[in-house]
Amino acid sequence: EVQLVESGGHLVQPGGSLRLSCEASGFTFSSFWMSWVRQAPGKGLEWVANIKPDGSATSYVDSVKGRFTISRDNAKNSLFLQMNSLRAEDTAVYYCARDNEIILELGVHYGMDVWGQGTTVTVSS
Amino acid sequence: AIRMTQSPSSFSASTGDRVTITCRASQGISSYLAWYQQKPGKAPKLLIYAASTLQSGVPSRFSGSGSGTDFTLTISCLQSADFAIYYCQQYYSYPWTFGQGTKVEIK
Repeated sequence: EVQLVESGGHLVQPGGSLRLSCEASGFTFSSFWMSWVRQAPGKGLEWVANIKPDGSATSYVDSVKGRFTISRDNAKNSLFLQMNSLRAEDTAVYYCARDNEIILELGVHYGMDVWGQGTTVTVSS
Repeated sequence: AIRMTQSPSSFSASTGDRVTITCRASQGISSYLAWYQQKPGKAPKLLIYAASTLQSGVPSRFSGSGSGTDFTLTISCLQSADFAIYYCQQYYSYPWTFGQGTKVEIK
């Protein structure tokens, strides 16, 4: 079964750090781009970051640049999100998702086709 | 960052209705657009990518269209399982961005 399982969410004080993990199973993890997407309580979805299959390229939303780092360990089928200098506005459910790369005639397309169940990060004093 | 704006933000409909959700990008994104469905307490589910290509396993009552800046998601015959929040998302350029969501409620 294709599956993603996140862990590491916790209550943390403003300015603190947290490392989220996402363990993949049922597919060749090392072949896929991977993303983190978050959802603040009662709000919409916000893409946070993604990483190339070999880990050589990453991208981030502006609000987390310099504070969050996405990484992966393909030998352990695992994706990570290191979150530093946490703020109240980082409070959210964090999902990891598989970015399925689909090559069509007119370009390379992506769809986040597999998602974890989410892990909750609460930043509060 | 490219801003994605969905309309309406919410609406009520009945089972069997044909419903359309609109998504507008703040700049042209060709067909680099996906649609997701999210139910309460659950992770999002990919419905459509490349603006109009149905993800495997998604019922054919869902369809997408558009290119450039204007896109639509249509549900041809609304079923009870379709009451949810729908999001569009562009992947034309980083940072990838989502629309604010459209909630489809039962009338």
